[in-house]
Amino acid sequence: NAGVMQNPRHLVRRRGQEARLRCSPMKGHSHVYWYRQLPEEGLKFMVYLQKENIIDESGMPKERFSAEFPKEGPSILRIQQVVRGDSAAYFCASSPTGSGNTIYFGEGSWLTVV
Amino acid sequence: AQTVTQSQPEMSVQEAETVTLSCTYDTSESDYYLFWYKQPPSRQMILVIRQEAYKQQNATENRFSVNFQKAAKSFSLKISDSQLGDAAMYFCAIHPGPPGTSGSRLTFGEGTQLTVNP
Repeated sequence: NAGVMQNPRHLVRRRGQEARLRCSPMKGHSHVYWYRQLPEEGLKFMVYLQKENIIDESGMPKERFSAEFPKEGPSILRIQQVVRGDSAAYFCASSPTGSGNTIYFGEGSWLTVV
Repeated sequence: AQTVTQSQPEMSVQEAETVTLSCTYDTSESDYYLFWYKQPPSRQMILVIRQEAYKQQNATENRFSVNFQKAAKSFSLKISDSQLGDAAMYFCAIHPGPPGTSGSRLTFGEGTQLTVNP
């Protein structure tokens, strides 16, 4: 059973460009989460999605950031018009439906804005 | 809202010795889950151990065990027989209610960097 798959692992963008980060949850998992880790800090919650639904986006900046988890395909975290402060590691995590389950993390996507 | 505090930014231990990493938390929830995650130099987040708050018995996973003091809102991690591969950043985290339920999110502490000396 493959783990949570994220790509790209490393992404470099110039200021003003768009960044798209993809996440395929573990097989059988219907809950996806995105977290951001700034340098020298812990992980901060951004958004929680289920298939075709955003459940909680309270941790995501109101502008330039969006996330989706379509019926088919991976979850996408999209950052428009990137700025240097967006440089961070973005972790995706997933968990199965049902209570009491553990959240498993992917290996992260490192975004560098130059 | 939940908060997690890790008061030790850095810790070191000799190989084969035992080390304890501290974590305190605050929550208004009556049901919650606590986790320790490990982040080695590869930066992957690896689950080390989890504890359900309603369980009084401390969780144990091989060389890793926790000391869960619910009244004191303390959740420390003990690593026995430390190995070089244990060197990593360790994050304590809390989840309100069972993971996978609506309103789900993990709140992390700032981490403790563990060095294992040969």
